Amino acid sequence: GAVVSQHPSRVICKSGTSVKIECRSLDFQATTMFWYRQFPKQSLMLMATSNEGSKATYEQGVEKDKFLINHASLTLSTLTVTSAHPEDSSFYICSARGGMAADEQFFGPGTRLTVL
Amino acid sequence: QKEVEQNSGPLSVPEGAIASLNCTYSDRGSQSFFWYRQYSGKSPELIMFIYSNGDKEDGRFTAQLNKASQYVSLLIRDSQPSDSATYLCAAFSYGNKLVFGAGTILRVKS
Repeated sequence: GAVVSQHPSRVICKSGTSVKIECRSLDFQATTMFWYRQFPKQSLMLMATSNEGSKATYEQGVEKDKFLINHASLTLSTLTVTSAHPEDSSFYICSARGGMAADEQFFGPGTRLTVL
Repeated sequence: QKEVEQNSGPLSVPEGAIASLNCTYSDRGSQSFFWYRQYSGKSPELIMFIYSNGDKEDGRFTAQLNKASQYVSLLIRDSQPSDSATYLCAAFSYGNKLVFGAGTILRVKS
């Protein structure tokens, strides 16, 4: 299957700082990338959908000015959590769709964010 | 009403038994359905997907789809302790987005 990487896998930061998470499709071109957030013992909640070269589409309740998404190329999308607060601590997971398996989504390994 | 519903479990089965995981969805327009497995602290990994009514088999896994009843299931034969995880059902919904259920915790006891 297709491989999606995320970096960093784990980050701890102070409240008020910004954190950037990268998501890369390693062996296919991702026409669409998705960003999810998962709190403990809860399911994945879609935050936003991004298509290469266009603005991300955010889900209801997700602040686009706080969670900046850039999908500058067919293999890279970034999520920046601006002015992070403890309530932003979560497991952030990206997924990518594209290539031969147009309907399948391949997930990255996730990034554990802890805001102190 | 949640778009994709699953029983949270936990579902406990003995090693070697068949585990049956169920899922219902509300969007009649959904055309494709996915089962993911997620271990604690890890991201989901795709087990299989199904588009057509009926059964689809892949090794020890069988997905079943009944569009009339808006029901999807996953059967795991010869369950192993390593199958213990949370199983997420997902449906492609309006807007071409994957909508996930809350997941069912499966525990396989040796």
